[in-house]
This record gives sequence, structure tokens and C-alpha cells, in this order.
Amino acid sequence: GENVEQHPSTLSVQEGDSAVIKCTYSDSASNYFPWYKQELGKGPQLIIDIRSNVGEKKDQRIAVTLNKTAKHFSLHITETQPEDSAVYFCAASKWGAGNMLTFGGGTRLMVKP
Amino acid sequence: DAGITQSPRHKVTETGTPVTLRCHQTENHRYMYWYRQDPGHGLRLIHYSYGVKDTDKGEVSDGYSVSRSKTEDFLLTLESATSSQTSVYFCAISEGQAGGYGYTFGSGTRLTVV
Repeated sequence: GENVEQHPSTLSVQEGDSAVIKCTYSDSASNYFPWYKQELGKGPQLIIDIRSNVGEKKDQRIAVTLNKTAKHFSLHITETQPEDSAVYFCAASKWGAGNMLTFGGGTRLMVKP
Repeated sequence: DAGITQSPRHKVTETGTPVTLRCHQTENHRYMYWYRQDPGHGLRLIHYSYGVKDTDKGEVSDGYSVSRSKTEDFLLTLESATSSQTSVYFCAISEGQAGGYGYTFGSGTRLTVV
């Protein structure tokens, strides 16, 4: 089955700096890659996703890049703010019945004011 | 989280007792999932449902059972709770099958087995 590795497990940045979280996946047939943000005491929330026919996607300060050849994808957050502090999860799946999302282990991002 | 609620939010139970967690959705989504979240393990799928009375096992299903008698409700039962089942449990829903559809998660149930 699919295996998703996520790095780093913790990341501390100064407010205004950029943060990058990286994930690798094992199944070359995977074609959907969402990212989730989990704030303390809450459930994960979808913040951005990308499909394998696209190499990059942006939404304001957040961007995701995908390298299908290397089987890795990354989340980029620019101009970080204290409210970006949370745990971030990447995930991967294949299209079609019976295919579940497989999640990475999570990254705790701390943005220091 | 809009459209999906979990109950209870917190529960403490004794080893060996049965426990049922409830997930209720108002989105009329076909797919529902139960995950557990533990430090160092991320989110692991316990069971999922692809319709009323249609369920299947995930990667960590031992010791758990589920039922879905209505589109809006998905129940997770710990048949005989053990300390290893102390965890935070999340329900999720999706409009379509996983590939290409994101999940909406509930706020979670923190279960402690003593």
C-alpha cells in the first residue's frame, strides 16, 4: 500500500520568514495530494490540494509543488504569521473506488513573533 | 466544524467496557471515515463507510466495529476497551471517493481508557 513520509516533524520559524514542509510517497499511481492544518483541539482542515496533472498551485501565502518523477510534494508558506502555528499533515491517494487517503506523520509548525 | 459533529467530545472509561462514539453529518455525503490520532503515528484509518450498511476495514480495525444505519450517522464501537485504545478519534466525511476529494473532519473525541 501507499506510504507517506513527512519532514520535518517540528519546524520553528520567525514571523515573516518562509516555512517549507516536505512529503514523499511510495505509490507512483497516486494522483491526489491534499494538505491539512490542525489547530489545537480541533480536527484537521483542508487548506490546499494538488492533482498529478499540475506541478504547482498557489493560494495567497500558501503554495504546493509536486514532483511526480521524484515522488515528492511540498507545502510552502510565505510571510508566516503567528496564526500559522499548527500541525500540518500531507496525504496522498489514487483516484477510484476503495482508495483512501494515506497521511504523513505531521509537522508541528511554530511561528515566533 | 460545519456539517459534522462528534459526540461525546471527551470520555473516560474503564478497561473492558464497551464504548460507542457517534458521528453525525448534515451534508448528505456518501463516504464516512473513522480515524485515530496518536503521537508519532499521524492519522490512521480504523473503518470507513461507502453507504448505508456498507462498511469496510481500515489499517487498524482490530478491536473496533462500526455501523451505519442512516446516511447521517456513523457509529464506532470499542467492543472491550483497552488502554491501547486511548486516543483522539476523528470522524471525516467526503463527497466522493478518496481520490480527488478532500475530507471534512469533525472536532474529535478524546477517549481515555483507565
